[in-house]
Amino acid sequence: EAGVAQSPRYKIIEKRQSVAFWCNPISGHATLYWYQQILGQGPKLLIQFQNNGVVDDSQLPKDRFSAERLKGVDSTLKIQPAKLEDSAVYLCASSTMDDPRNEQFFGPGTRLTVL
Amino acid sequence: QKEVEQNSGPLSVPEGAIASLNCTYSDRGSQSFFWYRQYSGKSPELIMFIYSNGDKEDGRFTAQLNKASQYVSLLIRDSQPSDSATYLCAVLPDMRFGAGTRLTVKP
Repeated sequence: EAGVAQSPRYKIIEKRQSVAFWCNPISGHATLYWYQQILGQGPKLLIQFQNNGVVDDSQLPKDRFSAERLKGVDSTLKIQPAKLEDSAVYLCASSTMDDPRNEQFFGPGTRLTVL
Repeated sequence: QKEVEQNSGPLSVPEGAIASLNCTYSDRGSQSFFWYRQYSGKSPELIMFIYSNGDKEDGRFTAQLNKASQYVSLLIRDSQPSDSATYLCAVLPDMRFGAGTRLTVKP
């Protein structure tokens, strides 16, 4: 079974530039999550999708971050414009609604550096 | 503000010893509790899940939950150098993670 795919793996941009990250979840997983993990901290949930609907985006900085999940499969997370404090690893995870443990499977992440 | 607190460590134990990792949470409405392991430079992976008060054992790992005290812990028996990683506590319903405890197991 293929895991969660993310691209790019690394990205370096200047502040005020825009950037987009892509995630392809495990086939059949209805729930998709985007997390931000700053060095030395735990992952912080940015947004959770169930199919193509948003379940929770309470911690998403909506003035600069946006995310979509068209057709309930792939997802993109965009930052526009980026700030220095956005430097972090952006993790995508997916889970199946049938799992009582709600186990989330994480992708390899995208490491963003904002200069 | 809902909080999940962990001792950041580092926690160092000798090989073969028991490692004890602790987590407290502030939201009394929390329902389910997870322990994830994260190796340096890698993504988190689930190792334990618990939702009922008491102990849950899986191999060398035991999760302990006390909802009255808002406390969940992870015990690792017979610690191995390969257990050296950061252990993250996470809490539902809003999947809030603690900052993690870095564990080092010395041969």
